[in-house]
Amino acid sequence: GAGVSQTPSNKVTEKGKYVELRCDPISGHTALYWYRQSLGQGPEFLIYFQGTGAADDSGLPNDRFFAVRPEGSVSTLKIQRTERGDSAVYLCASSSQGDTEAFFGQGTRLTVV
Amino acid sequence: GIQVEQSPPDLILQEGANSTLRCNFSDSVNNLQWFHQNPWGQLINLFYIPSGTKQNGRLSATTVATERYSLLYISSSQTTDSGVYFCAVLSEGGGADGLTFGKGTHLIIQP
Repeated sequence: GAGVSQTPSNKVTEKGKYVELRCDPISGHTALYWYRQSLGQGPEFLIYFQGTGAADDSGLPNDRFFAVRPEGSVSTLKIQRTERGDSAVYLCASSSQGDTEAFFGQGTRLTVV
Repeated sequence: GIQVEQSPPDLILQEGANSTLRCNFSDSVNNLQWFHQNPWGQLINLFYIPSGTKQNGRLSATTVATERYSLLYISSSQTTDSGVYFCAVLSEGGGADGLTFGKGTHLIIQP
């Protein structure tokens, strides 16, 4: 596609529920990143994929969070047993390689009530 | 991990004014990007500038990698320039493989 696409744009879920957030990167980009942005803060790194494998998941806050990229293109961020503190905007980015210019999607605003 | 500091945190200017935003970082980098986050939350790429100087219309940026800082210049400000400007870096020395962002500069351009 022309840019990084994220769905849904907004997600409201109840505490304790499971959610999936989807990211469709720029076609041909091998590197894919997930970030989380809380109100008034800069985005914080969660996980980096190079191809199908998670090359760096050091930013995932705990084991309720995990992400997959089974075919090296679309990625899904999965959050189990959601908590109110998980409410934030989740951003996805892609780049042609690991250290080249990254392009961001419009984000998914997650609200846990 | 690498630290990124942006200044000033807030800046209010009249339309037509010029401004300079600064980004200091604590380690060598192999990627530095400037973004503008618009009121709808979209991060818009301004510059990919790990070193050197680039210009794009009214905006220009300079990164002095040896002194670990970057500057973003906005000339003849317009109200549409309002928003938050982020500097983000990728450390050359290891650590996380994702960009580390500063806290941003919140710019308000008044008509």
